[in-house]
Amino acid sequence: SQQGEEDPQALSIQEGENATMNCSYKTSINNLQWYRQNSGRGLVHLILIRSNEREKHSGRLRVTLDTSKKSSSLLITASRAADTASYFCATGASGANSKLTFGKGITLSVRP
Amino acid sequence: DAGVIQSPRHEVTEMGQEVTLRCKPISGHDYLFWYRQTMMRGLELLIYFNNNVPIDDSGMPEDRFSAKMPNASFSTLKIQPSEPRDSAVYFCASSPGAFPGSYGYTFGSGTRLTVV
Repeated sequence: SQQGEEDPQALSIQEGENATMNCSYKTSINNLQWYRQNSGRGLVHLILIRSNEREKHSGRLRVTLDTSKKSSSLLITASRAADTASYFCATGASGANSKLTFGKGITLSVRP
Repeated sequence: DAGVIQSPRHEVTEMGQEVTLRCKPISGHDYLFWYRQTMMRGLELLIYFNNNVPIDDSGMPEDRFSAKMPNASFSTLKIQPSEPRDSAVYFCASSPGAFPGSYGYTFGSGTRLTVV
């Protein structure tokens, strides 16, 4: 399965600190995506990184991808209480039946 | 665009009743997905459509579940008869692209279903 597996399962940090979340997967991918889910809400797409990219930035988010290790990391810098949410990685392959496969998610708590 | 719109937001029904969940995808998105989320099983893909045609329904738990997409702007997920184990949050999502994993998905706010 190409399902991403996030690590750690839960993370608690102080406001202002950086949060690093990791995702590993098993098979070759076309892209890897990160999503955020606030309590009681739907998932929100944060960032997509393609297999030929190594790093991508979006505001306070930085995503890296290492295809040789089949892993990705999501870094949130200068965290805020509003970043408290669950974060999911999802992997996408190429091809007609290559729907995204989501991991089980990481619960991030940012203490004010 | 108002995003992916799901209705109802909450549904409480008695075991054995029929439940219909509704979804309006983003205009121009070729793909529509139905997911179910529970604490125990996480996010499960039930079925997805491409240009209104069901492509993969291997995630549909059993014959009690059915989904339709009569046109590009509307889809339904029906459970008949409903059972307590169907209690979950059901999400609809849509995306553009040549294949289903090529771009990010836009999710609706979900329908929280409780079967008593």
